Amino acid sequence: EADIYQTPRYLVIGTGKKITLECSQTMGHDKMYWYQQDPGMELHLIHYSYGVNSTEKGDLSSESTVSRIRTEHFPLTLESARPSHTSQYLCASSETGTAYEQYFGPGTRLTVT
Amino acid sequence: KNQVEQSPQSLIILEGKNCTLQCNYTVSPFSNLRWYKQDTGRGPVSLTIMTFSENTKSNGRYTATLDADTKQSSLHITASQLSDSASYICVVSDRGSTLGRLYFGRGTQLTVWP
Repeated sequence: EADIYQTPRYLVIGTGKKITLECSQTMGHDKMYWYQQDPGMELHLIHYSYGVNSTEKGDLSSESTVSRIRTEHFPLTLESARPSHTSQYLCASSETGTAYEQYFGPGTRLTVT
Repeated sequence: KNQVEQSPQSLIILEGKNCTLQCNYTVSPFSNLRWYKQDTGRGPVSLTIMTFSENTKSNGRYTATLDADTKQSSLHITASQLSDSASYICVVSDRGSTLGRLYFGRGTQLTVWP
């Protein structure tokens, strides 16, 4: 079992609210990632980080933002939630290098009403 | 365009039976291929990871094969159990960037019936 945690696991929130999805890992991994996944669809990379103070946008355009102030913590924030943001958000981490395993958290299921 | 295609989209088998899932990819330059198992409402968990030089790798009842020439992989599940019911995702990594970008298939939804 990987030591990567996400909170909350489920969130139902109204349109226009600001939310932060938390992701923490205790493996000391430099690389961290956020993916978005709709039911029956593939995972899409929305943000990634090579290390502290490093953040990059992924393949899928997202209105969310991320920060990496500590190695173990990689929160994702939506300033103003909309129904189109309803999805599953998965956080992952890995060691540096292209062949290293990515370990995934359990995910946050977000519903915006 | 880098893509990963999986088949079948869904599969139902009886407990104890074997099955084989397929993955075709066009990712280039190729770095490695991974198979993940994703239970409903959970994050993916790695089953196997294979580099260019490996053509088979096993993890218990799961055996993955890779043909880098034809860009095909398969995941064979032996003596299926009810707990094997999940989505199985094929993921291919490229080596064209320092990130080692991952390309995900949509998964095969496997249901094992008693």
